[in-house]
Amino acid sequence: GEDVEQSLFLSVREGDSSVINCTYTDSSSTYLYWYKQEPGAGLQLLTYIFSNMDMKQDQRLTVLLNKKDKHLSLRIADTQTGDSAIYFCAETPGSSNTGKLIFGQGTTLQVKP
Amino acid sequence: DAGVTQSPTHLIKTRGQQVTLRCSPKSGHDTVSWYQQALGQGPQFIFQYYEEEERQRGNFPDRFSGHQFPNYSSELNVNALLLGDSALYLCASSPGDRVTDEQFFGPGTRLTVL
Repeated sequence: GEDVEQSLFLSVREGDSSVINCTYTDSSSTYLYWYKQEPGAGLQLLTYIFSNMDMKQDQRLTVLLNKKDKHLSLRIADTQTGDSAIYFCAETPGSSNTGKLIFGQGTTLQVKP
Repeated sequence: DAGVTQSPTHLIKTRGQQVTLRCSPKSGHDTVSWYQQALGQGPQFIFQYYEEEERQRGNFPDRFSGHQFPNYSSELNVNALLLGDSALYLCASSPGDRVTDEQFFGPGTRLTVL
């Protein structure tokens, strides 16, 4: 099946690291993504990882993929108040030959000054 | 360079009515996907249009239909509106219909059904 699960809420202090977790069920997923959504704005692609990779780093963002456990995480280093938003994990299912995305329900990140 | 634009921004309809939402893709993009995002939920894939044809469809009833025009813009039509159709409708465009083509999302249309 195609299902993506995330924890709903995370609160951190400014300057700390944030880790947002996600699990998925489709073992044939090709790409996994992290999107950010701010109020009144559309979804912004933060980063993605191909399913044959274990880790990807992009400036303050680190994505870890454990394909055996179907677990994806996003670490944000030195979290800032501007990082407060809803973060969505998404996958492209293996059954799809187009860009169809399956999203989790989103994790609200609250950054306290 | 304008990104993905959607109109209207907000819309209020009553049960049983029909609604049309519009999307203009980012310049250079020929593929448009539509998603429904209920309050507190993640977006759900409705369908994708490429070369004016519906390429793939999610688990949505036939009340949801779409169209893509020769200029690649797209419309989402919903007939016989239900209260449960209240949601943010997101349009995403990409430079192709391949899995590797990054999708860019518009700000959405907030539909309220009373």
